[in-house]
Amino acid sequence: DTGVSQNPRHKITKRGQNVTFRCDPISEHNRLYWYRQTLGQGPEFLTYFQNEAQLEKSRLLSDRFSAERPKGSFSTLEIQRTEQGDSAMYLCASSSPRALNTEAFFGQGTRLTVV
Amino acid sequence: DAKTTQPPSMDCAEGRAANLPCNHSTISGNEYVYWYRQIHSQGPQYIIHGLKNNETNEMASLIITEDRKSSTLILPHATLRDTAVYYCIVSLYNQGGKLIFGQGTELSVKP
Repeated sequence: DTGVSQNPRHKITKRGQNVTFRCDPISEHNRLYWYRQTLGQGPEFLTYFQNEAQLEKSRLLSDRFSAERPKGSFSTLEIQRTEQGDSAMYLCASSSPRALNTEAFFGQGTRLTVV
Repeated sequence: DAKTTQPPSMDCAEGRAANLPCNHSTISGNEYVYWYRQIHSQGPQYIIHGLKNNETNEMASLIITEDRKSSTLILPHATLRDTAVYYCIVSLYNQGGKLIFGQGTELSVKP
């Protein structure tokens, strides 16, 4: 297992376009998390899934954002009608509550630039 | 909001111990102290966590005060590759990856 994988690593898009990011968690990790990180700030929690159920959404997740995890494995995060303020690093993490340590394992992130 | 306070930056000489402090005066009895670090342009990496006893692993040691209101992460022999932003987070054990990050401490290890 190579860890949490995120694609693409970088995305440049024009304002108003839709973008979709993919996250493949560590296999058998049933919890998956999305974070957003802007320059100079710590990551901000956006949402999390336990298996295919989206259990919590931050108020940061506006109506233009939607996340799915249809089969309880990989997840997608879509941003519709992108704005310049959406430019950030989008991080995905996974964890397993059955493990002795419930630490989160993060991917390398997808850096979004909206021009 | 983050429940921890950390100095914004610290320097450490290569080969010396790096001691990173964290205040968490409002920590509740069932919350753990977690430490993560983030090397530039990478995702955060778990380092260590603890409840009330001191903990040690291959990466670091975690010293938690008896009243649990503060802790110190110790990197015993810092290397240049330890240059990163270090985040101290308090979280319930079963929260797993739902973490509230603060600003962290930017540690610079210098030759």
